[in-house]
Amino acid sequence: AQTVTQSQPEMSVQEAETVTLSCTYDTSESDYYLFWYKQPPSRQMILVIRQEAYKQQNATENRFSVNFQKAAKSFSLKISDSQLGDAAMYFCAYRIYNQGGKLIFGQGTELSVKP
Amino acid sequence: DGGITQSPKYLFRKEGQNVTLSCEQNLNHDAMYWYRQDPGQGLRLIYYSQIVNDFQKGDIAEGYSVSREKKESFPLTVTSAQKNPTAFYLCASSLDREKGRELFFGEGSRLTVL
Repeated sequence: AQTVTQSQPEMSVQEAETVTLSCTYDTSESDYYLFWYKQPPSRQMILVIRQEAYKQQNATENRFSVNFQKAAKSFSLKISDSQLGDAAMYFCAYRIYNQGGKLIFGQGTELSVKP
Repeated sequence: DGGITQSPKYLFRKEGQNVTLSCEQNLNHDAMYWYRQDPGQGLRLIYYSQIVNDFQKGDIAEGYSVSREKKESFPLTVTSAQKNPTAFYLCASSLDREKGRELFFGEGSRLTVL
């Protein structure tokens, strides 16, 4: 069964600094997608970044980038030049084709940004 | 603007009552999902629907029911059989179930049982 694990319940970063959120997953599939979602205090989930397993190049979206290590089944999120608006709960997720294409989520990491 | 609308945002229920949470999308998406969010547990799938008039149980369907009579609507009923219904509920949709497509989420509904 596919599982997603986020081992850091809480993280803190100073404004303008860089922080890395960890995520590991378990799967027997070879082709899959991984996602990072952000849930700000408004509670609406917003897609931050996605990565296709077949692509060796790590995905980047402005200040957000991932470190995808397929063999290690690791998918960490790096936030550069952290801003106050980055404070949120971050969820790592894996999408499967079965069960209607559901997302399997990790437990989440709450990120606080200090001014 | 296209998106997903959930209502009500906050709902209080007495024990033994059924309540229905609304989810409407105007994104023309085929797939829709209901997730439950509890602190420290991430999001867990309750029900999903890939097409109109069809829906399937997710990982924690007991005590819940859904319908999909229209493409844009996927209401969730929390029945009195749900033993611990107090939670945050999120509705999501996707164009289809292809793995690369993102899920879009509504703003959620907070249900509290008194």
